[in-house]
Amino acid sequence: IAGITQAPTSQILAAGRRMTLRCTQDMRHNAMYWYRQDLGLGLRLIHYSNTAGTTGKGEVPDGYSVSRANTDDFPLTLASAVPSQTSVYFCASSPTRRFGEKLFFGSGTQLSVL
Amino acid sequence: KNEVEQSPQNLTAQEGEFITINCSYSVGISALHWLQQHPGGGIVSLFMLSSGKKKHGRLIATINIQEKHSSLHITASHPRDSAVYICAVKSADKLIFGTGTRLQVFP
Repeated sequence: IAGITQAPTSQILAAGRRMTLRCTQDMRHNAMYWYRQDLGLGLRLIHYSNTAGTTGKGEVPDGYSVSRANTDDFPLTLASAVPSQTSVYFCASSPTRRFGEKLFFGSGTQLSVL
Repeated sequence: KNEVEQSPQNLTAQEGEFITINCSYSVGISALHWLQQHPGGGIVSLFMLSSGKKKHGRLIATINIQEKHSSLHITASHPRDSAVYICAVKSADKLIFGTGTRLQVFP
């Protein structure tokens, strides 16, 4: 079934540990995004990628890194997790970053940093 | 003040009622998205619109560019419509999200 797969679904992590959230899509979309969702706030963009081999910083990039080695995969890494990174993380994709294109979201990763 | 404001924040309805969720924005936009987020689930795109009105089943989305306002209507609401509805605007190559409207429809 075409779509976006995120893993893990949830994770509890000790502060200071390194963690990679995985995101894979099979729709051959060029653009991919990582968002975090916190209570009382709208989704906020962490990093994005317009196409394989390129990445860019979003609204809240500090403490996170991404890579885009191929079209399908867009992992998000927390090098040294801190409690303020406790959030629900959503990966999304669209054919390109042009306006007028539908967004497709993964089912989210609930991350708790203790 | 948030650039994208949704109202109401919470909404309860009886099955069969007509529902309206509002979204106002303060920036110039090229498109507006309505998204649906079910409890414990992912986010689904319902509509993308830049003018006028779109309809899909019992859902209708309208936008007034001059007034910087969009509405999402649900006709003949059903308990399965219970979800958080999120408005997002595309402005200057970025998406700005509202905080969502939580809808509960009771049988």
